Amino acid sequence: AQSVAQPEDQVNVAEGNPLTVKCTYSVSGNPYLFWYVQYPNRGLQFLLKYITGDNLVKGSYGFEAEFNKSQTSFHLKKPSALVSDSALYFCAVRDVVSIFGTGTRLQVFP
Amino acid sequence: DTAVSQTPKYLVTQMGNDKSIKCEQNLGHDTMYWYKQDSKKFLKIMFSYNNKELIINETVPNRFSPKSPDKAHLNLHINSLELGDSAVYFCASSRRAGGNYGYTFGSGTRLTVV
Repeated sequence: AQSVAQPEDQVNVAEGNPLTVKCTYSVSGNPYLFWYVQYPNRGLQFLLKYITGDNLVKGSYGFEAEFNKSQTSFHLKKPSALVSDSALYFCAVRDVVSIFGTGTRLQVFP
Repeated sequence: DTAVSQTPKYLVTQMGNDKSIKCEQNLGHDTMYWYKQDSKKFLKIMFSYNNKELIINETVPNRFSPKSPDKAHLNLHINSLELGDSAVYFCASSRRAGGNYGYTFGSGTRLTVV
């Protein structure tokens, strides 16, 4: 069965510093991987996806993610964090439906 | 225009009642979903419909019954509500089932059973 794991419940980073939110996956076959963001009292919003091709995928709001097949990882990154990036981030893998990770709360401090 | 809209946004009801949540998408997507997000923010798939046909029905109590009158609508009816049903329920849609399509989510319905 397909699955993703987000090992960190929370990530804290200072504004202006680079951020990384980790995700590892377990799939049979080629993975379709996604990142979503959830702001308080809102639904999830699609950020980016990896299907095939370049290992570095660029998405919304300056986010990018690096697909690493050997490490089975798909970490979300941003070169310079903003306070407004503070939210809950979900990694997902697509099977017949999307299977979501447990979420990582990103807190960016001024 | 809201792409995926759910009503109501908040629902407070007593145990034993029956309630419905409605979802509509105006994106022309073929596939719609219901997810449940619990108090720890875990997201779990409940149902998926593709062109009005049920394709995924996870281990959900029979008290939950989805209905899709057309591919733009997916409603969720819950009978005999229990305290453990309290959660946020999200409707979502995607262009096709499976494959590489991302989801568009509604803003959620917060159900509180008292």
